[in-house]
Amino acid sequence: AQSVTQPDIHITVSEGASLELRCNYSYGATPYLFWYVQSPGQGLQLLLKYFSGDTLVQGIKGFEAEFKRSQSSFNLRKPSVHWSDAAEYFCAVGTNTDKLIFGTGTRLQVFP
Amino acid sequence: EADIYQTPRYLVIGTGKKITLECSQTMGHDKMYWYQQDPGMELHLIHYSYGVNSTEKGDLSSESTVSRIRTEHFPLTLESARPSHTSQYLCASNPNPPKANEQFFGPGTRLTVL
Repeated sequence: AQSVTQPDIHITVSEGASLELRCNYSYGATPYLFWYVQSPGQGLQLLLKYFSGDTLVQGIKGFEAEFKRSQSSFNLRKPSVHWSDAAEYFCAVGTNTDKLIFGTGTRLQVFP
Repeated sequence: EADIYQTPRYLVIGTGKKITLECSQTMGHDKMYWYQQDPGMELHLIHYSYGVNSTEKGDLSSESTVSRIRTEHFPLTLESARPSHTSQYLCASNPNPPKANEQFFGPGTRLTVL
């Protein structure tokens, strides 16, 4: 069965530090992968997506993610975190039935 | 990006009341979805629709019902609200033609049933 694992429930970083949020997926075929961000009380905003091709994908707000098939991973990175990046981040995999399977999310705190 | 609207944004209501959560999108998207999200938890798909007069139940069982009479409108109804229905409800849609599960989300409705 398809599944998404985000091992880190909560991450705290200092403003200006680099960030990596981990995501591992389980899916039999070539996956469609997504990262979404959710600010408190808001819906989800799409940060970036991987469908095929270049395994390093660029997204909005300076985020990037790298698809590694051998590790079944799609980790999200940002070289320098801003205080406004504090939010909940969700990794998701698209299935062949047009549905999305979400991970449990990682809450990011940013200290000044 | 799609413009997806949800109303109300917040709703506090007593047990036994009938409620309808509204979701509409202005892009003419055929595929629409409802998710339920408890605080600090992942999203669970409860309903989806592939177009007018199409509705399906999602992976998480829900006592709510949905309808799709118009392309742009996908309301969710609870006939008799209970405290266990307290949650955030998120609506989403998939562009035409479908872009490999890519979904755009509305701002959500936070429901509290007393």
